[in-house]
Amino acid sequence: KQEVTQIPAALSVPEGENLVLNCSFTDSAIYNLQWFRQDPGKGLTSLLLIQSSQREQTSGRLNASLDKSSGRSTLYIAASQPGDSATYLCAVGGAGKSTFGDGTTLTVKP
Amino acid sequence: EAGVVQSPRYKIIEKKQPVAFWCNPISGHNTLYWYLQNLGQGPELLIRYENEEAVDDSQLPKDRFSAERLKGVDSTLKIQPAELGDSAVYLCASSSPGLAVYNEQFFGPGTRLTVL
Repeated sequence: KQEVTQIPAALSVPEGENLVLNCSFTDSAIYNLQWFRQDPGKGLTSLLLIQSSQREQTSGRLNASLDKSSGRSTLYIAASQPGDSATYLCAVGGAGKSTFGDGTTLTVKP
Repeated sequence: EAGVVQSPRYKIIEKKQPVAFWCNPISGHNTLYWYLQNLGQGPELLIRYENEEAVDDSQLPKDRFSAERLKGVDSTLKIQPAELGDSAVYLCASSSPGLAVYNEQFFGPGTRLTVL
């Protein structure tokens, strides 16, 4: 059974810092990994999707990497802004099913 | 392009009452998912549809939960009777045609259910 862990559960940083969010998974037989953002009381917004054959994906200030062999993915956020404050979740795609972590709640202080 | 639509956004009911949630996926998306999200946790899959066929309902508590997607487009998730522990957010997602395991999922805003 796939298990997905996101550490830390919460993170607070000053505006302008570069930061890294972590996602680890136990079964390396994955099809893809997707990073989401969730604002309070809202649904999930897709940020980046990495296929199993890829090592990284970039979108604006976001960069996600994938290392299947070590069971890890990181989401790098450059020059953080208060508007980046949200919960970030990773979802590991297996055979017809995605397993989610519990997320990291990020607070960016002005 | 419209995103995934869900209604209602909020629902408060007494325990033992029935409740239904509705989802309309992104146009052209064959795959539809229903997830349950408890506070502080990631979503957990309840059921996945490929067109009108439920291809994975192993996590759906079938004694009280049911779902349908009769024409392969919109879907309804029902709980009857509701229990206190069903209080959660119910999320619907969809993904585009093709091999579903490779495709990006898009989520609706969710329905927040409170059972009193």
